[in-house]
Amino acid sequence: GAVVSQHPSRVICKSGTSVKIECRSLDFQATTMFWYRQFPKKSLMLMATSNEGSKATYEQGVEKDKFLINHASLTLSTLTVTSAHPEDSSFYICSARDDGERDTQYFGPGTRLTVL
Amino acid sequence: AQSVTQLGSHVSVSEGALVLLRCNYSSSVPPYLFWYVQYPNQGLQLLLKYTTGATLVKGINGFEAEFKKSETSFHLTKPSAHMSDAAEYFCAVSGRREYGNKLVFGAGTILRVKS
Repeated sequence: GAVVSQHPSRVICKSGTSVKIECRSLDFQATTMFWYRQFPKKSLMLMATSNEGSKATYEQGVEKDKFLINHASLTLSTLTVTSAHPEDSSFYICSARDDGERDTQYFGPGTRLTVL
Repeated sequence: AQSVTQLGSHVSVSEGALVLLRCNYSSSVPPYLFWYVQYPNQGLQLLLKYTTGATLVKGINGFEAEFKKSETSFHLTKPSAHMSDAAEYFCAVSGRREYGNKLVFGAGTILRVKS
């Protein structure tokens, strides 16, 4: 149980384009999901908290107009990187907090974004 | 405010030897504590967690950790290392839901297992 999927696992795009990443909880409902960014050889940096049916809460320094988050259902949150630039290249990981087990986040496998 | 310190960015052990990964935390509220493992180019997998109750918690793959409030520690151990344990390990702390429930991660410890 407690499986979280992400799609795509890897994406390469041109500078200026937008990229959408999906995060799904496969066997549980998640009112709350989280989006992280991980730089090489670094720990995870929380970007935003995504709540089903309401606006996401962004961490300080994260541009909400650049990283659009939508949490339209209890099992799906999406992160759209708008007008991507090479500095947005990174490993993006989502997590979902099980509504039936409110204290634990389960993580997706991550998405490697490369912006050329 | 919460923070996590993992002592040792790299730990090397021989196969069959004891694994000890250190984690100290600070938290202004009762903490929830977690250990996650990350293999290259993959997401994080939950190893074990402490929320309430028994302070010695057992996780997957033979790992366990003990919550010591007086020492503000949550060290991860495994009696006998296996080659497949080579990965990066993250300790994390959060507060209960009413305190926001966000995870704060340590910097990570890369475990190398020598044959």
